[in-house]
Amino acid sequence: DAKTTQPTSMDCAEGRAANLPCNHSTISGNEYVYWYRQIHSQGPQYIIHGLKNNETNEMASLIITEDRKSSTLILPHATLRDTAVYYCIVRGAYSGGSNYKLTFGKGTLLTVNP
Amino acid sequence: GAVVSQHPSRVICKSGTSVKIECRSLDFQATTMFWYRQFPKKSLMLMATSNEGSKATYEQGVEKDKFLINHASLTLSTLTVTSAHPEDSSFYICSARDRGLAGGEQFFGPGTRLTVL
Repeated sequence: DAKTTQPTSMDCAEGRAANLPCNHSTISGNEYVYWYRQIHSQGPQYIIHGLKNNETNEMASLIITEDRKSSTLILPHATLRDTAVYYCIVRGAYSGGSNYKLTFGKGTLLTVNP
Repeated sequence: GAVVSQHPSRVICKSGTSVKIECRSLDFQATTMFWYRQFPKKSLMLMATSNEGSKATYEQGVEKDKFLINHASLTLSTLTVTSAHPEDSSFYICSARDRGLAGGEQFFGPGTRLTVL
């Protein structure tokens, strides 16, 4: 699976949009971009995933560049409860065996300030 | 939907004892479950992949005789830390793949904090 690069930490004001970048320049054509977050002392929470098109759900939006070498997770109106470590993970499509493995990097610590 | 539970949430044990951690998918069937370990201020590290009805696949460097995994049903996987030592103290997290979702999203349990004295 391709490696990802994320900033170590970011700050955001409550109520503002939080834009979390992720670089995945070695991503291959059949690899998806997944985002999870982990609030302190809890298990990770699935946020969103995408292949090439932009995606939106009730939690966030995922913007993937046309060349797919980077993406941005957008939390449109950040709240204090969004303070967490956000992980961007690239993973191939399932084709059997261990293809469902997720490899976690260090992620981005997003701190939402009042 | 897609809720994964773990039990216990926290356990303290003496060195040399064995500890069993349960991971359950509450509202879906999971043919595949994963066990992770997380040390303080570190990221999650995959320990093993558990497939229902077959032997678990362990990551390099993880001792299969020390971390016993059983996936006896489509909703339950267990991790037993045998002869636990203080260096096994960690946050253990399981995840489960919903067999009904083609995308393969994994849903995580809340984690189990193990402290070995």
